[in-house]
Amino acid sequence: QKEVEQDPGPLSVPEGAIVSLNCTYSNSAFQYFMWYRQYSRKGPELLMYTYSSGNKEDGRFTAQVDKSSKYISLFIRDSQPSDSATYLCAMGEGGTSYGKLTFGQGTILTVHP
Amino acid sequence: GAGVSQTPSNKVTEKGKYVELRCDPISGHTALYWYRQSLGQGPEFLIYFQGTGAADDSGLPNDRFFAVRPEGSVSTLKIQRTERGDSAVYLCASSLQAGSTEAFFGQGTRLTVV
Repeated sequence: QKEVEQDPGPLSVPEGAIVSLNCTYSNSAFQYFMWYRQYSRKGPELLMYTYSSGNKEDGRFTAQVDKSSKYISLFIRDSQPSDSATYLCAMGEGGTSYGKLTFGQGTILTVHP
Repeated sequence: GAGVSQTPSNKVTEKGKYVELRCDPISGHTALYWYRQSLGQGPEFLIYFQGTGAADDSGLPNDRFFAVRPEGSVSTLKIQRTERGDSAVYLCASSLQAGSTEAFFGQGTRLTVV
C-alpha cells in the first residue's frame, strides 16, 4: 500500500462546476499538506499548503485537511477550462525530513467549455 | 535566473551509458531537491541538499545514482550504467531554505533510455 493514495481519474466536468479532489494517507507523521497543479510537460506549481486540520481558502480554491481520518481534499469552485491540468497532493513530515515530499499519483482534470 | 533551469530538456541515451542532468536553482535558494516522475505517476523523492551537503538521499534507488552540489548552487544528478527502467522525467526544485514550504520546480529533464 502506498503512503499516499489519490484517485487518478480522469475527471471531466463542465465549466462552472465544483470540483472535489481527494487524497488519503497512512503515515501519521505527515505534518504539512500541499496541493500542486501540473500542466502537460511542465513542472508542478504549488497551489496551496496547510499544516493543520480544517479549511484554508484562497480565491476559488479551498484545501481541507482531516488528520483524524488521514484525508485531504481540494475544492475548486467555478471551474474554468484553464484549470484543466493534473492535480497532485503532497505531504511532508517536517523536522529533519523537511525537504522530502511524498506525492500522490495525481488526478487528471479536464474542464470543458 | 527567474526560475529553476534544468538542462537538457530531453536526453536520449543507450542502455549502459552514463548521463548527467543539470539543475540551476533560483538564485539565493539554499535547498535543492531532485525528484523522478514516471508516466502517470506523481514525483518520487530522490535526494535533497541544504547548501553543499546532501541532507537526505534516502530516495536514491541504488548506487548507480549519485548527485552533487559542490558550490551550493548548481546540482548535477549522475546516473551510471543506465537501464530502460530509468526512463522518466527528472524534476529539480529549489526553496529558500529547507524549512520553506514553497519549492519551485523546473520543467524537468525527460530521460529516455533505449
